[in-house]
Amino acid sequence: DGGITQSPKYLFRKEGQNVTLSCEQNLNHDAMYWYRQDPGQGLRLIYYSQIVNDFQKGDIAEGYSVSREKKESFPLTVTSAQKNPTAFYLCASQGSIKLFFGSGTQLSVL
Amino acid sequence: GIQVEQSPPDLILQEGANSTLRCNFSDSVNNLQWFHQNPWGQLINLFYIPSGTKQNGRLSATTVATERYSLLYISSSQTTDSGVYFCAYNYGGSQGNLIFGKGTKLSVKP
Repeated sequence: DGGITQSPKYLFRKEGQNVTLSCEQNLNHDAMYWYRQDPGQGLRLIYYSQIVNDFQKGDIAEGYSVSREKKESFPLTVTSAQKNPTAFYLCASQGSIKLFFGSGTQLSVL
Repeated sequence: GIQVEQSPPDLILQEGANSTLRCNFSDSVNNLQWFHQNPWGQLINLFYIPSGTKQNGRLSATTVATERYSLLYISSSQTTDSGVYFCAYNYGGSQGNLIFGKGTKLSVKP
């Protein structure tokens, strides 16, 4: 089935550790996005990419990094510089107008 | 930046009831979208509605851009309608550059 796959569903990070969240899409979409959601809040944009090998910072990019080496893949790394990483992370890709979301990754700190 | 306020923050309905959710924004926006997040975190785009009225089954949405609000109307609610409803506007650039409200949490009881 066509869609967006995020993995893992749950992830735990130790202090000082970098962790990478995976996002893969087979919708042939050019644009992809990473959002962060905190409890009781809306989504906030971390990074986005409109084409391969190019990406832009969103509103809360500090402490995160991304790459876009393939059209299908847009991994997000939560670095040790992100002091409050516990949140629900959602990846999305964009069709003509609509966004299609993955099922999310819950990141927690050990 | 433009502020987005959603009301009510929480809503409990009996199955079969109708409801109206509201989204107010503090300035003119160039488009507005409504999303539904189910209790398992999956987010789905419901409407892209910069102005006017759209209907999709039991759901309809109206945006009055000149008066800076949008309404989401749910008729004959079902338990599967439970979750959080977000409105979001695009602040330019890529379509996924969205500012989200804090959402309305809807619980539909059988």
